[in-house]
Amino acid sequence: EVQLVESGGGLVQPGGSLRLSCTASGFDFKNYWMTWVRQAPGKGLEWVANIKGDESAESYVDSVKGRFTISRDNAKNSLYLQMNTLRVEDTAIYYCARDNSQFDYWGQGTLVTVSS
Amino acid sequence: ETVLTQSPGTLSLSPGERATLSCRASESFSSSYLAWYQQKPGQAPRLLIYAASSRATGIPDRFSGSGSGTDFTLTISRLETEDFAVYYCQRNGVIKAFGQGTKVEIK
Repeated sequence: EVQLVESGGGLVQPGGSLRLSCTASGFDFKNYWMTWVRQAPGKGLEWVANIKGDESAESYVDSVKGRFTISRDNAKNSLYLQMNTLRVEDTAIYYCARDNSQFDYWGQGTLVTVSS
Repeated sequence: ETVLTQSPGTLSLSPGERATLSCRASESFSSSYLAWYQQKPGQAPRLLIYAASSRATGIPDRFSGSGSGTDFTLTISRLETEDFAVYYCQRNGVIKAFGQGTKVEIK
């Protein structure tokens, strides 16, 4: 059974940093792209970033370029999102998902709140 | 950058009725890149349809997708109570984008 479990969310002040983690199980992690998607309170879904299985490629939505970094550790079946210079508008639930071109499995999400 | 516009914003229907949801893209792309998701309150999204018309694992056949180019449609043939939710279309590719969602609510 495929499982994705996010962690690392919390309350942070504007300008601060946070690192999200996503632990995967039930599939051969290193063979799949992985993605982060976020959802601001009461709003729709926004794709944030993705990374290839062998870490040779990654992409970001324009609004997080230069502030967020996606990475992975295939030995630990883990995906990460390092978020720096956080803004109030980054407040959202952050989901990790298996990126099989479409997002076929999702975690339950972790809430990031950016507020003073 | 492809913009996906979903309509209507809200669809008010009764159980047993047919739901037709539209997703229109600002530029044409391959139908192999179009997916649909369902999201219920407090839950993560769930993949329903990929490649415009292929049902994901475990999705009932009352859900169907169609379309090509810039116009795509998700159809729910007969609404069940568990189908009342928000639906998103999504374009895959190097940069991925979601539509703003259509809420299907009980009339």
